[in-house]
Amino acid sequence: AQKITQTQPGMFVQEKEAVTLDCTYDTSDQSYGLFWYKQPSSGEMIFLIYQGSYDEQNATEGRYSLNFQKARKSANLVISASQLGDSAMYFCAICRTGNQFYFGTGTSLTVIP
Amino acid sequence: DAGVIQSPRHEVTEMGQEVTLRCKPISGHNSLFWYRQTMMRGLELLIYFNNNVPIDDSGMPEDRFSAKMPNASFSTLKIQPSEPRDSAVYFCASSPAGGLGDTQYFGPGTRLTVL
Repeated sequence: AQKITQTQPGMFVQEKEAVTLDCTYDTSDQSYGLFWYKQPSSGEMIFLIYQGSYDEQNATEGRYSLNFQKARKSANLVISASQLGDSAMYFCAICRTGNQFYFGTGTSLTVIP
Repeated sequence: DAGVIQSPRHEVTEMGQEVTLRCKPISGHNSLFWYRQTMMRGLELLIYFNNNVPIDDSGMPEDRFSAKMPNASFSTLKIQPSEPRDSAVYFCASSPAGGLGDTQYFGPGTRLTVL
């Protein structure tokens, strides 16, 4: 079974600082995809970034980057230059063959002015 | 382009009533997913369709839940009869082709309250 673990239920970061949100996963699949989504208080799920298991370079999307360590089965999200609008829940997800997503329990990020 | 559309956005009903949630996926997307989100259980996949065919419904909690996708642009999730423990936010998501790297795009969700 696929399992995603997000060990930080809540995180705080000072505005303009960088923050790392942890995600570890457990899968026996060789091919899989890792995703991060943001859920602000308004409730929608917003796609942020994707990393394929065979991608050798860490994915980046603007201020978001994914620190992918395949041997350790970790896929941490790094947000640089935090903004007040980054305050939200962040979910890590793994996708296995067949397009089934499994989500972690999420991390609540609060950006402090 | 329009994203995933869900209706209603909010639904309040009484225990025992039938509830129907609706979803219109992004045009051209071949895969559609229904999720349920609660504080206790997080995000759970209920069912997903590929090319209008249900592929995996193992996440459907019980026989009171049913889902259909009569065509590529419409899906419903029905609960009959509804119970208070069904109260949750129900998300619909779609993805282009069902491949490993395909991003799922979520609708705004339907917040269901069963009294």
